[in-house]
Amino acid sequence: GDSVTQMEGPVTLSEEAFLTINCTYTATGYPSLFWYVQYPGEGLQLLLKATKADDKGSNKGFEATYRKETTSFHLEKGSVQVSDSAVYFCALRANSGGYQKVTFGTGTKLQVIP
Amino acid sequence: DSGVTQTPKHLITATGQRVTLRCSPRSGDLSVYWYQQSLDQGLQFLIQYYNGEERAKGNILERFSAQQFPDLHSELNLSSLELGDSALYFCASSVAGQETQYFGPGTRLLVL
Repeated sequence: GDSVTQMEGPVTLSEEAFLTINCTYTATGYPSLFWYVQYPGEGLQLLLKATKADDKGSNKGFEATYRKETTSFHLEKGSVQVSDSAVYFCALRANSGGYQKVTFGTGTKLQVIP
Repeated sequence: DSGVTQTPKHLITATGQRVTLRCSPRSGDLSVYWYQQSLDQGLQFLIQYYNGEERAKGNILERFSAQQFPDLHSELNLSSLELGDSALYFCASSVAGQETQYFGPGTRLLVL
């Protein structure tokens, strides 16, 4: 079945550091890929997405490129802020039994310290 | 604000009891999804409804059931509650089922 693997957290960085959160996936066909963010005490929010190979999703300084050859969708940001502290979820959406099923990774907690 | 509302925000109950969680999707969205988020299991998809009909089932226990009403709001019923059912329950909605999902703020359930 489909699966998403994320690097385990927590990831602790100093403000203005470079962020990479790794995400790899297993799926049949051509899934769409997503990053969601969950701030403390809130629900998940879509951060960015990519729907086909080599697409780059970007939002709020975050970027991720859909790499079909490595089945990866790593999240990057050049300079993190304290306000980026949250849990980040990688997800894929693929056709499964005639409907579009979303599979989430386990989440990676990011802590940014001043 | 995603436009998805969930009530109640918090719920404390005892083992063996039954609770109902409510979700109102974004205006115009026909699909509703339910997820369970716990510390040990992560985010687990439970069930999806589309325009009142069950569309997909995930890791939903037989003690749990859901429905979507004609006004498109949905309810998740949890019965014979166990300590392990303590978790955050999220509802999400999308226009038709093939687009981005928008999540509600969740209901935190504590079973004592």
